Formats: sequence, C-alpha cells, structure tokens
Amino acid sequence: GAVVSQHPSRVICKSGTSVKIECRSLDFQATTMFWYRQFPKKSLMLMATSNEGSKATYEQGVEKDKFLINHASLTLSTLTVTSAHPEDSSFYICSASGGGPSIYEQYFGPGTRLTVT
Amino acid sequence: GESVGLHLPTLSVQEGDNSIINCAYSNSASDYFIWYKQESGKGPQFIIDIRSNMDKRQGQRVTVLLNKTVKHLSLQIAATQPGDSAVYFCAEGTYNQAGTALIFGKGTTLSVSS
Repeated sequence: GAVVSQHPSRVICKSGTSVKIECRSLDFQATTMFWYRQFPKKSLMLMATSNEGSKATYEQGVEKDKFLINHASLTLSTLTVTSAHPEDSSFYICSASGGGPSIYEQYFGPGTRLTVT
Repeated sequence: GESVGLHLPTLSVQEGDNSIINCAYSNSASDYFIWYKQESGKGPQFIIDIRSNMDKRQGQRVTVLLNKTVKHLSLQIAATQPGDSAVYFCAEGTYNQAGTALIFGKGTTLSVSS
C-alpha cells in the first residue's frame, strides 16, 4: 500500500509554454502533498506544501505565480509550471502523507523530469 | 536556517563490506529521522526511520544509530551489494498533525564494486 504516482515521468517543452505535472495517491487518501525540486547531484528542496481544499504554502524564494499548485481532492495534486524557461528544467518530485499506513510518513512519487528547451 | 547535512558526498566500498553513511543534523526539536535511498532518475525510497526517543533501530541488513548528544545520525549497511549503489539521504521531521515537511540532507553517493 501507499503508492504515489506522477504523470508524466518525462516532459520536454518549449520556453514560454506551461506544463502540468500530476501527483496521485493510488491507494490512500492524502491530506497533505508536498512538491520538491531536485537539481542534478543535489538534494531535494521543498517548494510547497498543499492541503486538500486549501491554498498551498510556498517556501521562501518559490514564486507562487510561476509554480501553481492545486490540491483539489484527497488523491490528486497538480503542479503547473507557467511560462517555463530553461532554468526551470529540473526533477520534480511529489510526496503524500496523512492517509497511508503511517499518517506521518511521506510516500514519494517516482518524479518527473522536466526539460525546457 | 537549520538543515540536515551529510559528512561525505561519496563513499566507495567493495561488495560484501559493511558501509557506514553519516549525517549531522542541527534541529534538536526534530521528532524523527529517516534514511532514503534514491536511484538515478527515481524518487526517494524509504529505508528505515528512527524516533528521537530511540538510539538504535535495526532493519533487514540496515541499522540506524542516533546520537542526540552530538546530533549525529548514521546508516549502517551490512554486507553491501552492488544493488545498494545509490544516493542516500537523511531527512528529519517533526510531528505536527500529519503533513510536516521533511528537511533533507545533501546526500551521499554509495558506489559498490564487485
């Protein structure tokens, strides 16, 4: 149990376009989902925390108008990178917590590789 | 700000050896600590966790040690195998209802040669 999926796994887009990444908890309801960003050979950096039905809380330095997060249901959160630029190219990882075997444990998705050309 | 960090960015061992990966943390208020394994192009995979009121916890081939006096966490992998090659991250968290974000350390790349 406690499986989290992400879609797409890889995406290439042109500069100036927007990209949506989905994060789903497949077998449990997640009250909270987290979005992380990871650069090559670097650690995971928290971007934002989202609770179902409320606005996301963004970490300092993360532009909320650029990285739109929607957590419309207990099993789905989306991250939309608006007007993407090459510097937005990164590995984006989501995690979900609140309804799995342990309510405190975070269950991570497989990540989405975004490349902006 | 407070963060979790790792002592060594890389560790190379021979197959069959025991591996020890270290992590120093600074937030004495953290309630639990987790070790994750991340293979290239994949999300973090849970290995083992330990609560702040414990000093040792064992799993299958892995042991986590917590020294709160010096704020040090370690992951010991017994009889390391080539499949253990990956980046290992420590992370710390606090109990605050459900859904408190984790703070990740910088990662140690473990390379196992056969």
